[in-house]
Amino acid sequence: DAGITQSPRHKVTETGTPVTLRCHQTENHRYMYWYRQDPGHGLRLIHYSYGVKDTDKGEVSDGYSVSRSKTEDFLLTLESATSSQTSVYFCAISTRTGTGGFEQYFGPGTRLTVT
Amino acid sequence: TQLLEQSPQFLSIQEGENLTVYCNSSSVFSSLQWYRQEPGEGPVLLVTVVTGGEVKKLKRLTFQFGDARKDSSLHITAAQPGDTGLYLCAGGYYGGSQGNLIFGKGTKLSVKP
Repeated sequence: DAGITQSPRHKVTETGTPVTLRCHQTENHRYMYWYRQDPGHGLRLIHYSYGVKDTDKGEVSDGYSVSRSKTEDFLLTLESATSSQTSVYFCAISTRTGTGGFEQYFGPGTRLTVT
Repeated sequence: TQLLEQSPQFLSIQEGENLTVYCNSSSVFSSLQWYRQEPGEGPVLLVTVVTGGEVKKLKRLTFQFGDARKDSSLHITAAQPGDTGLYLCAGGYYGGSQGNLIFGKGTKLSVKP
């Protein structure tokens, strides 16, 4: 258990409304990630962070923004939700292995439905 | 673009059968992870392999990293209904500063009693 929580766990919202998803970790990990998971596409990286206020885009970042003002919290914002953003969103943290590589540990996910 | 191809996409077997799923790429990875994901939950890390030819065992699960570190396999002996889930592989890059991984799309396994 990497001490990762996500909130909310489920959300239904209307097209055009802003939505913020929160990822909270308790173990002071430097690297944090937001993914979306859709049938046929697997896990796709949206944004990631390598420290407080240090973030970068992943492969599907359009329509999403992130913020990390504290080590423990990584926020994902949909500025104006669209139906194509209906998905399951996962937060993850990364830790170094003893051999210099990385392993990721995931939160429980947020199921977002945009109507 | 580095890709990880997993096969088969779907597998439905009876309890007690053996199975192997594969994870292949044209790229070399410094490490490869296997995850299992159950419905409504996040992926859970099962194992990390880092050395070409490495074999790791986790109870009835056997993981192997290819000699060239481009592919991996997961073999399950005497599958049980509790093994049902989505199996994901993910490749990492040695020395990568961001810790980013490349994920395959997964093999969805169903084990029927």
